[in-house]
Amino acid sequence: GDSVTQMEGPVTLSEEAFLTINCTYTATGYPSLFWYVQYPGEGLQLLLKATKADDKGSNKGFEATYRKETTSFHLEKGSVQVSDSAVYFCALSPGANSKLTFGKGITLSVRP
Amino acid sequence: DAGITQSPRYKITETGRQVTLMCHQTWSHSYMFWYRQDLGHGLRLIYYSAAADITDKGEVPDGYVVSRSKTENFPLTLESATRSQTSVYFCASSEIGLAGLNIQYFGAGTRLSVL
Repeated sequence: GDSVTQMEGPVTLSEEAFLTINCTYTATGYPSLFWYVQYPGEGLQLLLKATKADDKGSNKGFEATYRKETTSFHLEKGSVQVSDSAVYFCALSPGANSKLTFGKGITLSVRP
Repeated sequence: DAGITQSPRYKITETGRQVTLMCHQTWSHSYMFWYRQDLGHGLRLIYYSAAADITDKGEVPDGYVVSRSKTENFPLTLESATRSQTSVYFCASSEIGLAGLNIQYFGAGTRLSVL
């Protein structure tokens, strides 16, 4: 079945550091890929998405590129801020099916 | 209020008791979902619904019951709560958009403790 694998956490960075969070997936066909973010005490919210190979999703300075050849969707940000401290989830949707498959999530802490 | 709301936000109950978590959305989305979030497991799907009166099991449905008599409501019932059901529960809704794109919108969650 479909699955999403995220790198182990937690991750702690200093403000203005470069961020990479790895995500790889297993799925048949051509899934849509997502990054969701969960701020402390809140529900998940969509951060960015990509629907086909080589698409780049971007939002709030974060980027991720849909790489079909490596089945990856790594999240990057050039300069993190304290306000980026949150839990980040990679997810996939296999097209017409409404369900999402989530990775386990990774906690990011950014210190001043 | 517009959006998706869950109630209560916090609940403490005892083993063996029945408890119902409520979820209400104002977008008239067709799909609704219940997840539980546990450390080390991420989010796991409990049940989902494609429309009123249509529900289906997710990854971890045992011990839970759902109903959907109206499009906007999707309550989750723990018929006889167990300590292993202590968790944070999230409700979500979605509509299948262009090209089959499925974006889910989440409530703020209900933190349930079963003593």
